Amino acid sequence: SQQGEEDPQALSIQEGENATMNCSYKTSINNLQWYRQNSGRGLVHLILIRSNEREKHSGRLRVTLDTSKKSSSLLITASRAADTASYFCAARAGNMLTFGGGTRLMVKP
Amino acid sequence: EAGVAQSPRYKIIEKRQSVAFWCNPISGHATLYWYQQILGQGPKLLIQFQNNGVVDDSQLPKDRFSAERLKGVDSTLKIQPAKLEDSAVYLCASSSGLAVANEQFFGPGTRLTVL
Repeated sequence: SQQGEEDPQALSIQEGENATMNCSYKTSINNLQWYRQNSGRGLVHLILIRSNEREKHSGRLRVTLDTSKKSSSLLITASRAADTASYFCAARAGNMLTFGGGTRLMVKP
Repeated sequence: EAGVAQSPRYKIIEKRQSVAFWCNPISGHATLYWYQQILGQGPKLLIQFQNNGVVDDSQLPKDRFSAERLKGVDSTLKIQPAKLEDSAVYLCASSSGLAVANEQFFGPGTRLTVL
C-alpha cells in the first residue's frame, strides 16, 4: 500500500504563480522526500526534510513537515513552464521509501 | 558521473511470455532498488539489495517475478510469465548505502507493455 497520499492530484497554474502540493502519510518516518518526474523520464530527487525539521528551503522550493498531523507540503515559488512535471512525496521509514500517488503540475506560459 | 543505466527502454510482449530487464547502478553504490510504476501512480518498491543480498522483497510477486544481483553490481529483474497487469514502467535506483538520509538515484526506466 502507498504510504503517502497527495493532494491535489492535478494542478494547473500560470507561469509566475506559486504552486502548493500536499502530502499525508500513515506511519512514523525518518524523513520525507520530494521527487520530480518529467514525462517519460526517471525520478529526480528535489529535497529531503528530516523528521525533526519543520521547514526547509532549496532555491524556489519550500518544504514543511508536520509530524503531529503526518503531513508535508511542497511550495514552488515563481513557477516556470519548465516546472511542468509530476511531483511525488516519499516517506522514509527504516529501509523503506514509500511513494505517494503524485501531483501532476502544469505551468502554462 | 554516469547515472543509473537501464535497458531496454521499451518492451512489448504478449501475456504469458517472459521478459528481463537490466540495471547498472552508479559506480560504488551498494544499494539497488527495483520499483514498479503503473500509469498514474507512484512507484512501488519491488525489491531492495544491499550488495548481493536481498534486504526487502516483501512486495515482489514471487510466483512470477524474480531478481538477482549476483556480483553486487548489475541486476536483472525477470517476469515469467507476464500478465496484462504487469504493464508498467520498471525503475531501477541506487544509493550509496542504507542510511536513511541517502538519496536514491533513479534510472530512466523500462516501459513494459503486455498485450
